[in-house]
Amino acid sequence: GQSLEQPSEVTAVEGAIVQINCTYQTSGFYGLSWYQQHDGGAPTFLSYNALDGLEETGRFSSFLSRSDSYGYLLLQELQMKDSASYFCAVISFQKLVFGTGTRLLVSP
Amino acid sequence: KAGVTQTPRYLIKTRGQQVTLSCSPISGHRSVSWYQQTPGQGLQFLFEYFSETQRNKGNFPGRFSGRQFSNSRSEMNVSTLELGDSALYLCASSLGTSNNEQFFGPGTRLTVL
Repeated sequence: GQSLEQPSEVTAVEGAIVQINCTYQTSGFYGLSWYQQHDGGAPTFLSYNALDGLEETGRFSSFLSRSDSYGYLLLQELQMKDSASYFCAVISFQKLVFGTGTRLLVSP
Repeated sequence: KAGVTQTPRYLIKTRGQQVTLSCSPISGHRSVSWYQQTPGQGLQFLFEYFSETQRNKGNFPGRFSGRQFSNSRSEMNVSTLELGDSALYLCASSLGTSNNEQFFGPGTRLTVL
């Protein structure tokens, strides 16, 4: 089967840096994606890693280690608007399988 | 470029009824995937259509079905509704079938009474 583990909740203050980890067990792995979802909103794509290493997009970075079946999303210079749920998702046999999500609460 | 649209946005049905949800992908996108989102189970893949063909299917009963039209618009149907089918149904489109970047619609909130 396939499983993805993420922390259920993370809290941080404005301006801080936070890392959301994701470990996965899956077959037919192609890559790891990250999505953000605000309450009442639709998931929006943040990043995708197919190869090991760090991908940087503005304040957000994503990392993948295929040998460790592990990845993380790094959010820098946190803003209040970053309060949302963050999902890692693996592409396995061309299907997108989502983790259970991490709720990030950013306080002033 | 207009985003993914879904209709209706909200729907209330009773057990045993059936429902059809509609999704219009971003212009030029040929792949449409459907997901069910519930607080307990998270985001679960239902199926994916590409060029009017179902390419992948998740672990849902046969009551859940879908189709895609030649203009890439997609519909999903749930027959014999159960209370547990209450959920947010999300559709996502992408250019191809690699699925590494999907664009989600706002979803249809289905409540089964």
